[in-house]
Amino acid sequence: QVQLVESGGGLVKPGGSLRLSCAASGFTFSDYYMSWIRQAPGKGLEWLSYISSSSSAIYYADSLKGRFTISRDNAKNSLYMQMNSLRAEDTAVYYCARVPLTGFNWFDPWGQGTLVTVSS
Amino acid sequence: DIQLTQSPSFLSASVGDRVTITCRASQGINNYLAWYQQKPGKAPKLLIYTASTLQSGVPSRFSGSGSGTEFTLTISSLQPEDFATYYCQQLNSYPPWTFGQGTKLEIK
Repeated sequence: QVQLVESGGGLVKPGGSLRLSCAASGFTFSDYYMSWIRQAPGKGLEWLSYISSSSSAIYYADSLKGRFTISRDNAKNSLYMQMNSLRAEDTAVYYCARVPLTGFNWFDPWGQGTLVTVSS
Repeated sequence: DIQLTQSPSFLSASVGDRVTITCRASQGINNYLAWYQQKPGKAPKLLIYTASTLQSGVPSRFSGSGSGTEFTLTISSLQPEDFATYYCQQLNSYPPWTFGQGTKLEIK
């Protein structure tokens, strides 16, 4: 079945870096666009970034201000998010999600999420 | 950016009730709206896309309607497993893809 599994979260000090990974299985990963979405504790959903199947199109939320970089390795069926200059407000559960092939950009399915905590 | 405003933010209801959640967009988005359900500690789950199309496997007691700037998610007869937080998301104008602030549905 279609599955997305995030990893790489943890506790990091302000100003530090983390690299999140999302391992995909059960579908042809190289065909699909992907996104990262986060959810701060007790808060709503915030879309962060989007990457096309060939990495030719990449978008970011303005709030990231160049600190995060999305990438993918289709040979490894994996999506990544490099997060630099982390701040307390980046504390959240980070989800990867698949974008359907329909041309409309809803998100389905989502991974289980990985928690990033930014604290000294 | 398109803003989505859900109402109410909190809703208390009983098993068997019919409930409706509204999502209003700051500008017209045709029918390009999705709804998600999120249970505590779990990832969001897609319920409805393009405003009214039920995702495969989602019970038929869930329905969506609307176009333009006003949309609704209706649960015809609440079941115990439906108590969760619901989010709308616009698909029309991006980036960014935006979500509503959520509606928490609690047991009365």
